[in-house]
Amino acid sequence: DVKVTQSSRYLVKRTGEKVFLECVQDMDHENMFWYRQDPGLGLRLIYFSYDVKMKEKGDIPEGYSVSREKKERFSLILESASTNQTSMYLCASSLSPSSLSTDTQYFGPGTRLTVL
Amino acid sequence: GENVEQHPSTLSVQEGDSAVIKCTYSDSASNYFPWYKQELGKRPQLIIDIRSNVGEKKDQRIAVTLNKTAKHFSLHITETQPEDSAVYFCAASYREKLTFGTGTRLTIIP
Repeated sequence: DVKVTQSSRYLVKRTGEKVFLECVQDMDHENMFWYRQDPGLGLRLIYFSYDVKMKEKGDIPEGYSVSREKKERFSLILESASTNQTSMYLCASSLSPSSLSTDTQYFGPGTRLTVL
Repeated sequence: GENVEQHPSTLSVQEGDSAVIKCTYSDSASNYFPWYKQELGKRPQLIIDIRSNVGEKKDQRIAVTLNKTAKHFSLHITETQPEDSAVYFCAASYREKLTFGTGTRLTIIP
């Protein structure tokens, strides 16, 4: 059974703080993703990674960065948190290397971040 | 890039009736179309998916249809039950990047 875990369920930070959100998957998946979920906007892709030390921008990368030092771990970094980054953050992973096929994405439980 | 539109945003149906949610996509290169269900306070979970070489796929009470020419796909839930109440998301993908619709909140009325 695929297991994707996130470091915190709830997080409260102040404007200007540096924030780290951690995601770990235990199924040796190649691909990992970070989304934010906002009411009425669905899930929007922030960054994704096909392999260790590799990253690609998604649809809304501004204000975020990522790190993937190990295959099982993908971190989302808010360099200087702002109130408009208050949101639910979801991590996901999928099996296949970048190719012409697409595998199921498995989601973590989410981190609800509030920036005051 | 890909753009996915999903309708309706909310849907209420009587228990036992059918529910239909529709999505359109813009990129003709997209070849994978999953549907996710998200119950309140829980993570999205895949319920069914379809690839572009197939027109229809069914799994018990759930079915998905795909019209590549018109670039739209639909989720059909028959004999709805209270546990079907949730938010449903469609998505479209070429390679690994998924683009999601904005979601449909489905409420089953007992």
